[in-house]
Amino acid sequence: DIQMTQSPSTLSASVGDRVTITCRASQSISSWLAWYQQKPGKAPKLLIYKASSLESGVPSRVSGSGSGTEFTLTISSLQPDDFATFYCQQYNTYPHTFGQGTKLEIK
Amino acid sequence: EVQLVESGGGLVQPGGSLRLSCAASGFTFYNYAMSWVRQAPGKGLEWVSSISDSGGTTYYADSVRGRFTISRDNSKSSLYLQMIGLRVEDTAMYYCAKRRGGSLDYFYHMDVWGKGTTVTVSS
Repeated sequence: DIQMTQSPSTLSASVGDRVTITCRASQSISSWLAWYQQKPGKAPKLLIYKASSLESGVPSRVSGSGSGTEFTLTISSLQPDDFATFYCQQYNTYPHTFGQGTKLEIK
Repeated sequence: EVQLVESGGGLVQPGGSLRLSCAASGFTFYNYAMSWVRQAPGKGLEWVSSISDSGGTTYYADSVRGRFTISRDNSKSSLYLQMIGLRVEDTAMYYCAKRRGGSLDYFYHMDVWGKGTTVTVSS
């Protein structure tokens, strides 16, 4: 199975900050990576697919990059609504594994 | 509006069975592959199973293969997850999710999720 490792596990930041979350795959997954945001008690919400494609309706301050085994999710200017847990998921090979999650907290 | 509504969760004893359902609306259900994803309390997301648009192709996580069966009824725009031999470690919120395309042989992500249904396995 492909292992997905996110870093950091927890990130403390302030409104207006630029933050970056990293996701590494144990083998190449080309660009078949999605990023999801999940708030407490809610279902995950798609932010980015195919590593860098922004889902419709997602603010342009959110961006994704990378290919192969290393990927990043960047939020350029944090807003109060952005504080949540973020997951990466590879869909190159079954099983479609998720990273362990990164919790973005208000500093 | 695309909508997925899960049902069928509940409390079941170890070794028991449950059948989860997911009612889809707002899109042409038979054109899209579907998936189940679960989340144990306080834990991360775990992909469980996927089924192609026609229902002819399915995939399972090792942790559920042989105990869970994914199926769909395109005439009813519904997705199902039959779970037998339930274990304490199957306790989780179960989400159904729509894939961006119909085939499981191409690289489609999950784009819409339901709100989930809770399964608790306990004696």
